[in-house]
Amino acid sequence: KNEVEQSPQNLTAQEGEFITINCSYSVGISALHWLQQHPGGGIVSLFMLSSGKKKHGRLIATINIQEKHSSLHITASHPRDSAVYICAVRSETSGSRLTFGEGTQLTVNP
Amino acid sequence: ETGVTQTPRHLVMGMTNKKSLKCEQHLGHNAMYWYKQSAKKPLELMFVYNFKEQTENNSVPSRFSPECPNSSHLFLHLHTLQPEDSALYLCASSQVGHNEKLFFGSGTQLSVL
Repeated sequence: KNEVEQSPQNLTAQEGEFITINCSYSVGISALHWLQQHPGGGIVSLFMLSSGKKKHGRLIATINIQEKHSSLHITASHPRDSAVYICAVRSETSGSRLTFGEGTQLTVNP
Repeated sequence: ETGVTQTPRHLVMGMTNKKSLKCEQHLGHNAMYWYKQSAKKPLELMFVYNFKEQTENNSVPSRFSPECPNSSHLFLHLHTLQPEDSALYLCASSQVGHNEKLFFGSGTQLSVL
């Protein structure tokens, strides 16, 4: 079992739908990252959080430290949101090393 | 534009070739990273440099040789690679001790024939 598990692996939605991607992890962490990877490879860091909730535009990330779980929400989804969303955690003992989930492939159809 | 520039974007090489990947960051960060992303697998950390010193080598074969001449530049020298080394190689940087959000380059898609 991976230290970081994401669900679902693949998600198809219609434009305008509310989307949730989940991330569960099994170790104590100092930070959790949500990343976005578009076709072609480039990765953009969306959020880094260690507690509570962060919002940026239509994106919201939440984390529950006790339950070792984080969610990434996209409101009013758009085809340009289509990408792979990756959860990564920095454990309390790993220094700068991140452990990555396998990613969630999101496709938003017009 | 993330402030991290990688070249080349694509590279095809034979198993006997020697090539180098280059990464440059314009963000004033003190840490740089090489990651490998194989098809259908999570990102794997290869090397970490803090203040130009290598602080992590994640059991990477010696056919991959990193070089960090200064805090803004990072190279990955490749020699006698195997076809299974074909992957997307991503460079990233961060400011250790402050924020520590990662900034990634666009990656080099490497094919080893």
